[in-house]
Amino acid sequence: DGGITQSPKYLFRKEGQNVTLSCEQNLNHDAMYWYRQDPGQGLRLIYYSQIVNDFQKGDIAEGYSVSREKKESFPLTVTSAQKNPTAFYLCASSTRALTDTQYFGPGTRLTVL
Amino acid sequence: SQKIEQNSEALNIQEGKTATLTCNYTNYSPAYLQWYRQDPGRGPVFLLLIRENEKEKRKERLKVTFDTTLKQSLFHITASQPADSATYLCALGNYGQNFVFGPGTRLSVLP
Repeated sequence: DGGITQSPKYLFRKEGQNVTLSCEQNLNHDAMYWYRQDPGQGLRLIYYSQIVNDFQKGDIAEGYSVSREKKESFPLTVTSAQKNPTAFYLCASSTRALTDTQYFGPGTRLTVL
Repeated sequence: SQKIEQNSEALNIQEGKTATLTCNYTNYSPAYLQWYRQDPGRGPVFLLLIRENEKEKRKERLKVTFDTTLKQSLFHITASQPADSATYLCALGNYGQNFVFGPGTRLSVLP
């Protein structure tokens, strides 16, 4: 899992509640990413950030929000607007955005009841 | 739209044999292709990267080929071991564009 930590490992929330997933890296990487993984599907990009105070929408950004106030941290908020939030969420980082190997965290499994 | 297919969802082979996983893509012109290993409940781990101008890459028991004409990559694990059992993901990349990941192939190496 390299130098990327995600917490918590498992998260349960009631429908209609916002929830924030944590991602921290100590690899001194400029770029960070959030993916969602569902059974039988490839990883899908939610948001990515190339540098502090900057982030871009990925393929499935609706119902999610992010911030990048520190180089080390890239938290993801799953809002109540996300229609099907139950999934495995993966955070990753790379030296530069969209060109380098990505290093992934251990993931957070979110279950919305 | 871009599409990546990875042979079957699951592949079972006998220990000691060579496992061959395929990654086929359409509507995409990748500059490079990566293979990752993912164990259950964990994040993917990078294994190999091969660029469009490279035909083959090796790392220990792993070998990757990349045929841009066929739009296909093959991933081989020689002398496979039960510890190689995992899901293997291919990912296509192009400079300045998002990675596109395949759905993965779950490999089981039987003792």
